[in-house]
Amino acid sequence: EVQLVESGGGLVQPGGSLRLSCAASGFTFDDFAMHWVRQCPGKGLEWVSAISWNSADRVQADSVKGRFTISRDSVKNILYLQMDSLRVEDTALYFCARDKKILYGSGTYLDFWGPGTLVTVAS
Amino acid sequence: QSVLTQPSSASGPPGQRVTISCSGNISNIGGSTVNWYQHLPGTAPKLLIYRNTQRPSGVPNRFSASKSGTSASLAISGLQSEDEAEYYCASWDDSLNVVIFGGGTKVTVL
Repeated sequence: EVQLVESGGGLVQPGGSLRLSCAASGFTFDDFAMHWVRQCPGKGLEWVSAISWNSADRVQADSVKGRFTISRDSVKNILYLQMDSLRVEDTALYFCARDKKILYGSGTYLDFWGPGTLVTVAS
Repeated sequence: QSVLTQPSSASGPPGQRVTISCSGNISNIGGSTVNWYQHLPGTAPKLLIYRNTQRPSGVPNRFSASKSGTSASLAISGLQSEDEAEYYCASWDDSLNVVIFGGGTKVTVL
């Protein structure tokens, strides 16, 4: 059974940092690209970042470019999101999701999602 | 503001048919495939439709979708109370090089 479980969320002050983790199990982690998607309070789903199967390709939304870094550990089967220079508007429930393909792009779809981890940026 | 445009809400009595539209442009829907996700608050979003019209195993055939040009639509026939949720369309945007989601449509069963 495919499982994705996020962790690492919490309360952080503006300007601070946080690293989210997503533990993957039930499938061959190296065979799939992975994504982070967030939902800010009262808002819809917003795509954040994606990484290819072998970490060679990464892409981010403009809203987090230069502040957030996606990475993955193929030995531990964990997806990460390093979040620096956090802003109040980054407050959200963060989901990790599996891409059906090894490389994101045209035809990409997210077939399994985790339940999310909550990040609150406030002073 | 979302690049894909959806109505904010849709509703109908049990058993009714509801449709949700999703409008984009040549860089996203027009040049790629459309996927639909169902999201209930407090739970993981669920893939409902992929590659414009395909249903993953386990998704009831009450859910169907189509795509034409730069627009797509999701239909829910035989509406049931368990269908109350937020529905999102999504696509890859070749111009922006990102995944884009619609703003979401809240479906209410009257």
